[in-house]
Amino acid sequence: EAGVVQSPRYKIIEKKQPVAFWCNPISGHNTLYWYLQNLGQGPELLIRYENEEAVDDSQLPKDRFSAERLKGVDSTLKIQPAELGDSAVYLCASSLDLSGELFFGEGSRLTVL
Amino acid sequence: DAKTTQPNSMESNEEEPVHLPCNHSTISGTDYIHWYRQLPSQGPEYVIHGLTSNVNNRMASLAIAEDRKSSTLILHRATLRDAAVYYCILRRQFSNTGKLIFGQGTTLQVKP
Repeated sequence: EAGVVQSPRYKIIEKKQPVAFWCNPISGHNTLYWYLQNLGQGPELLIRYENEEAVDDSQLPKDRFSAERLKGVDSTLKIQPAELGDSAVYLCASSLDLSGELFFGEGSRLTVL
Repeated sequence: DAKTTQPNSMESNEEEPVHLPCNHSTISGTDYIHWYRQLPSQGPEYVIHGLTSNVNNRMASLAIAEDRKSSTLILHRATLRDAAVYYCILRRQFSNTGKLIFGQGTTLQVKP
């Protein structure tokens, strides 16, 4: 069975440019998470979806970050415009439900120049 | 959310047991103790979780103190592949949040 798939694995952009990350969760998983991981730190939750609904987006910087999960399956995370401090790994995870074990993708590494 | 405290790093020799400690003195009655680990250049992966009783699975064992204020993840025979960052996390059950809040974890180095 395929795991959580993320793309792109690596992205290099100049500051002020937009960038988008895509996540395909494990089939049948209702809950989807986006985490941000800075170098040497643990992952930090950005947003969590239960089906199509964002049930926790309190940590998402809404001035430049946006996310969507159309039809309750795939999800995209967008940054516009990107800043130097956004350089990090963006991790997507999914679980069967809000209390289930999380399965993570390999992450998308963003470098902002 | 209750916090956990872990050592920043630990070392082990290959094929020896490893005991990774975690303190969680402010744990509440509905908090489960979860362990995840993150191999280099990978996303975190689930290892084990428990509430009160000790737990075993194919990856590891989890020993939980009687007062639940601390726990220990036990790798019975460390391999080079077990070199990773290990995160001890409290997760509130029966809550519509139940989110995983990661700390900095323990970086485990395994020497051949």
